[in-house]
Amino acid sequence: NAGVTQTPKFQVLKTGQSMTLQCAQDMNHEYMSWYRQDPGMGLRLIHYSVGAGITDQGEVPNGYNVSRSTTEDFPLRLLSAAPSQTSVYFCASSLSSSRPENYGYTFGSGTRLTVV
Amino acid sequence: KNQVEQSPQSLIILEGKNCTLQCNYTVSPFSNLRWYKQDTGRGPVSLTIMTFSENTKSNGRYTATLDADTKQSSLHITASQLSDSASYICVVRGRMNRDDKIIFGKGTRLHILP
Repeated sequence: NAGVTQTPKFQVLKTGQSMTLQCAQDMNHEYMSWYRQDPGMGLRLIHYSVGAGITDQGEVPNGYNVSRSTTEDFPLRLLSAAPSQTSVYFCASSLSSSRPENYGYTFGSGTRLTVV
Repeated sequence: KNQVEQSPQSLIILEGKNCTLQCNYTVSPFSNLRWYKQDTGRGPVSLTIMTFSENTKSNGRYTATLDADTKQSSLHITASQLSDSASYICVVRGRMNRDDKIIFGKGTRLHILP
């Protein structure tokens, strides 16, 4: 039982490049989400999914796309990287999609992204 | 505006000492409050959850308190250890415009010195 696995752990991109951050969970969790964490700020929700085939926008969705074709995987795509997207990205999952915070989130170990 | 404010921003204490971290929130109506511990380079891990009716909850050397009337929570760490060095994040769940909202605090960075 690996929990939530994120890859890569580190990535450097040039402005304008695109890439996909991978997130996989093996706990059969309904709810999956992506957060970004910036210095001096709390975690901010980018996108989330309440089940396979269902995604929705969070607080800061611009510049990011997601899809949820399976229960296990929830990749985050950066369409055209910008320096403002330099951040640490966390994928989190929860057992229930109706009240995810009641069950708590399981976080991945993060992807540190630098856009130059 | 729904907010979660944590204090202090950072704290340095000697190993073996106790400390208390604060979380004040304005999220209303309030559903629950959770404390997470985030080690450097890792994702946050849940320590404890407090619901409206709970005043105190312990998890080993961690004790969380909640005063729903004053909208304040604290996390008390007893007999600190070097492994307690981490960021501690307060997360409050409430409802805003009929939608559930999860608000993350900015965290308190705790450094334990030997």
